[in-house]
Amino acid sequence: NAGVMQNPRHLVRRRGQEARLRCSPMKGHSHVYWYRQLPEEGLKFMVYLQKENIIDESGMPKERFSAEFPKEGPSILRIQQVVRGDSAAYFCASSSSPGNTIYFGEGSWLTVV
Amino acid sequence: DAKTTQPPSMDCAEGRAANLPCNHSTISGNEYVYWYRQIHSQGPQYIIHGLKNNETNEMASLIITEDRKSSTLILPHATLRDTAVYYCIVRVDSNYQLIWGAGTKLIIKP
Repeated sequence: NAGVMQNPRHLVRRRGQEARLRCSPMKGHSHVYWYRQLPEEGLKFMVYLQKENIIDESGMPKERFSAEFPKEGPSILRIQQVVRGDSAAYFCASSSSPGNTIYFGEGSWLTVV
Repeated sequence: DAKTTQPPSMDCAEGRAANLPCNHSTISGNEYVYWYRQIHSQGPQYIIHGLKNNETNEMASLIITEDRKSSTLILPHATLRDTAVYYCIVRVDSNYQLIWGAGTKLIIKP
């Protein structure tokens, strides 16, 4: 049973470019969460999505960041016009319902140069 | 969700049991205690969770005090691969936002 799959694992972008991070939840999970971990800090919640719906985006910056979880395909976290401060590890997680155990992927490490 | 307090770091000899404490004195009756760990440059790994009773799985045991104000994660036979930051999180089962503290950095020594 495959776990939460994220790609790419590492991504380097120049300032002003776009970053797209993909996440396929565990089989049977329809609830997806994105967290961000800045260097030497703890994980911070960004957004919670169900298929085709954003349930809670309270932790996501209002500008340049967006997330989707289409009916078909992986969830995408999109960061437009990246800045150095966006350099971080982005973790996707999934669960079978909001109250059940949440499992994490291996993360995507974004470096902005 | 209630806050947790963990020691910042601990050492343990390889092959011995590692006992990681967590205080959650303001925990509510419907809050679960979850443990995750994060090995360097990897994603958080779920270990175990419990409400009132002690729990055991293939990775670890979770001992929760009767008043539920503290708990201990036990890794029965620690290996070098158990070196990681261990996070204790209390969570209402309807709450999907996990609040991460600083955790305990566990170093297993040969």
